[in-house]
Amino acid sequence: GDSVTQMEGPVTLSEEAFLTINCTYTATGYPSLFWYVQYPGEGLQLLLKATKADDKGSNKGFEATYRKETTSFHLEKGSVQVSDSAVYFCALSDGGTSYGKLTFGQGTILTVHP
Amino acid sequence: NAGVTQTPKFRILKIGQSMTLQCTQDMNHNYMYWYRQDPGMGLKLIYYSVGAGITDKGEVPNGYNVSRSTTEDFPLRLELAAPSQTSVYFCASSSQTGLEYDGYTFGSGTRLTVV
Repeated sequence: GDSVTQMEGPVTLSEEAFLTINCTYTATGYPSLFWYVQYPGEGLQLLLKATKADDKGSNKGFEATYRKETTSFHLEKGSVQVSDSAVYFCALSDGGTSYGKLTFGQGTILTVHP
Repeated sequence: NAGVTQTPKFRILKIGQSMTLQCTQDMNHNYMYWYRQDPGMGLKLIYYSVGAGITDKGEVPNGYNVSRSTTEDFPLRLELAAPSQTSVYFCASSSQTGLEYDGYTFGSGTRLTVV
């Protein structure tokens, strides 16, 4: 079945540091890939997405590129802020008859210190 | 536009009690889902629905029931609450048209403690 694996966390960075959160996946067919962010006490929000190989999703300074050859969708940001502290989830949708269901990774906690 | 609304936000149940978690969406989405989020474990799908009158089990359905009598509402019922059901519950909805899919819109969650 489908699966998503995220790098072990938590991740602690200083403000303005470079961020990478690794995400790899296993899926049949051609999945769409997503990053969601969960701020403390809130639900998950869509951060960015990519629907086909070599697509780059971007939003709020975050980027991720759909790499079919390495089955990866790593999240990056060049300069993090304290306000980026949150839990980040990688997810995939396998399309077809999956009825839009998303398979999530376990989440990575990011803490950014001033 | 309210999106996905969940009630209550917090609840404490005693073992063996029952309750219904409410979920309503106003985006006319056809798909709706219930997930539970346990610490460090990501999100696990409990039940989902592809339209009014149609529901199906997800990964962890035991101890729960759902119904979907309208497009807007997708309540989750807990019967005979157990400590293992202590978790944060999220409702989500989505709509897929053509080849484009924007993923889920999530509610803000219900934090349930069973004591």
